[in-house]
Amino acid sequence: DIQMTQSPASLSASVGETVTITCRASENIYSYLAWYQQKQGKSPQLLVYNAKTLAEGVPSRFSGSGSGTQFSLKINSLQPEDFGSYYCQHHYGTPMYTFGGGTKLEIK
Amino acid sequence: QVQLKESGPGLVAPSQSLSITCTVSGFSLTSYGVSWVRQPPGKGLEWLGVIWGDGSTNYHSALISRLSISKDNSKSQVFLKLNSLQTDDTATYYCAKSDHYYGYLDYWGQGTTLTVSS
Repeated sequence: DIQMTQSPASLSASVGETVTITCRASENIYSYLAWYQQKQGKSPQLLVYNAKTLAEGVPSRFSGSGSGTQFSLKINSLQPEDFGSYYCQHHYGTPMYTFGGGTKLEIK
Repeated sequence: QVQLKESGPGLVAPSQSLSITCTVSGFSLTSYGVSWVRQPPGKGLEWLGVIWGDGSTNYHSALISRLSISKDNSKSQVFLKLNSLQTDDTATYYCAKSDHYYGYLDYWGQGTTLTVSS
């Protein structure tokens, strides 16, 4: 089974800063990587799919990149509504679609 | 608009079985897949399995002996059944619509909370 490893597990940042979250796959998943945002007490929401395609309605300050085994999610100019948890997931090509362990983004 | 809503028992005793229903609207189960994802309290997301539009399924390898996903297209309902429940099955269970080709989860239900306890 493919393993997805996210880092960091937690991150503290201020409004206006730029942050990057990384996700590593245990084997080549090409560009089949999605990112989700989850706010406390809410369901996850799709941010990015196919590694770099923004989901509908997602602000352009979010960007995804990477292919193969190394991926990243960058958030420019953090806004108060961006704080929460972020998860990566590989989403195609194998029988299991594993999530990463998550990154909790907190206000500094 | 696309909507998914889970309904479950809330509390189940250890060793018993769990059945959760996901009722969808705004899309056809014959054209799109529905995945199940769970989240233990204070922990991360765990993908459980998916049923595709053609009725085929994929399951988490660690749960394949206890997990079953089925659906009723005419009622727009997807069913999760998990047998031999243990306390670490306590979690919020979500159903989510899968993109018909790439499988990413573009719409999610609100989740239903399950506690496994005697």
